[in-house]
Amino acid sequence: KNQVEQSPQSLIILEGKNCTLQCNYTVSPFSNLRWYKQDTGRGPVSLTIMTFSENTKSNGRYTATLDADTKQSSLHITASQLSDSASYICVVSPGSSASKIIFGSGTRLSIRP
Amino acid sequence: NAGVTQTPKFRILKIGQSMTLQCTQDMNHNYMYWYRQDPGMGLKLIYYSVGAGITDKGEVPNGYNVSRSTTEDFPLRLELAAPSQTSVYFCASSYTYPKTMNTEAFFGQGTRLTVV
Repeated sequence: KNQVEQSPQSLIILEGKNCTLQCNYTVSPFSNLRWYKQDTGRGPVSLTIMTFSENTKSNGRYTATLDADTKQSSLHITASQLSDSASYICVVSPGSSASKIIFGSGTRLSIRP
Repeated sequence: NAGVTQTPKFRILKIGQSMTLQCTQDMNHNYMYWYRQDPGMGLKLIYYSVGAGITDKGEVPNGYNVSRSTTEDFPLRLELAAPSQTSVYFCASSYTYPKTMNTEAFFGQGTRLTVV
């Protein structure tokens, strides 16, 4: 069964600190993996996309990594800001059909001043 | 560029009432989706559509119906509202994966529904 699991479920860190969010998936065949950011009360917005051949991709203070062999991805946030408080959702697209993109349950990140 | 537009933003229904959540997109995407998100939980797929005239069930379709008469519109119908349908509903759209490799889903702002 195709699944996407994220950890931790929630995380609280102080402003300025770094953190890493994890995503493990069992989706096969695999096409690509996206990290979305969902602010409270808003729809998710894509942060970054990675295909199976990419290991690292950065978007400002966000750096995503992908290990297609172990089926793991991480999202590293550097020098966190209060505006980083949100849910971060890992989404995997199977290689066979875009209609079955699979969402993880997300990690709720809270940044404290 | 409007993207994905959902209406209404908020709604309170009484048990047994019916309503339609509207969703329209102006990006000419062929894939459209309806998700619900319960408090503190992830997104669950209700229904999706791969193109006009074609719809299919997702994980949690019971109590809902959809139609896709045009590429732009994908309304979600609740026939007999129940308290278990209290949730935030998100509509999304995307391109077909095989042709473009662009599978980014664009989301609407959500509809917060309360059934009392």
